[in-house]
Amino acid sequence: GAVVSQHPSRVICKSGTSVKIECRSLDFQATTMFWYRQFPKQSLMLMATSNEGSKATYEQGVEKDKFLINHASLTLSTLTVTSAHPEDSSFYICSAPALAGGPYEQFFGPGTRLTVL
Amino acid sequence: RKEVEQDPGPFNVPEGATVAFNCTYSNSASQSFFWYRQDCRKEPKLLMSVYSSGNEDGRFTAQLNRASQYISLLIRDSKLSDSATYLCVVTSRSWGQNFVFGPGTRLSVLP
Repeated sequence: GAVVSQHPSRVICKSGTSVKIECRSLDFQATTMFWYRQFPKQSLMLMATSNEGSKATYEQGVEKDKFLINHASLTLSTLTVTSAHPEDSSFYICSAPALAGGPYEQFFGPGTRLTVL
Repeated sequence: RKEVEQDPGPFNVPEGATVAFNCTYSNSASQSFFWYRQDCRKEPKLLMSVYSSGNEDGRFTAQLNRASQYISLLIRDSKLSDSATYLCVVTSRSWGQNFVFGPGTRLSVLP
């Protein structure tokens, strides 16, 4: 199946710093990628849709100036958490849709665990 | 009402048991349905797609009832390795559409 990577897998930072998370589709092109956030014992919540060559679409309640998304190429989307605070500590996962012999499937990256001190 | 709802769980069952999970969705325009499993601190992995006629993959059987907007997953002969959170996932368009995740149902299979 298609492979999506994320980097870093884990990051610990001080409050007020910015953190960049990369999401790459390794063996296919992704004009669209999705960014999710998952708090402990909760389900994944969509934050934004990343579109190659155009602005990202943010879900209601997600601050676009705080969570900067750049879809620079057909294989790379980045999420930058600016001025991170402890409440931003979460598991961030990206995904990209691809055909897999049937209906379109979403392939997920392994996730990035962010801890803000 | 949430878009996708699932049994709250957790389900604690002995090895070899049969367990069923239920899921309901609110958007009647939903087109594609999936069950994903998520292990602790890992990303979700596709378990199986759910087709209108129902489908089976080994010990796993998925059913879809569009009229009732209801999806189910049956696991037979539970193994310890089945312990995970099971996520019901729905999409409203066939491509490029984000997945809407249910809250998940946690399963613990006990020796």
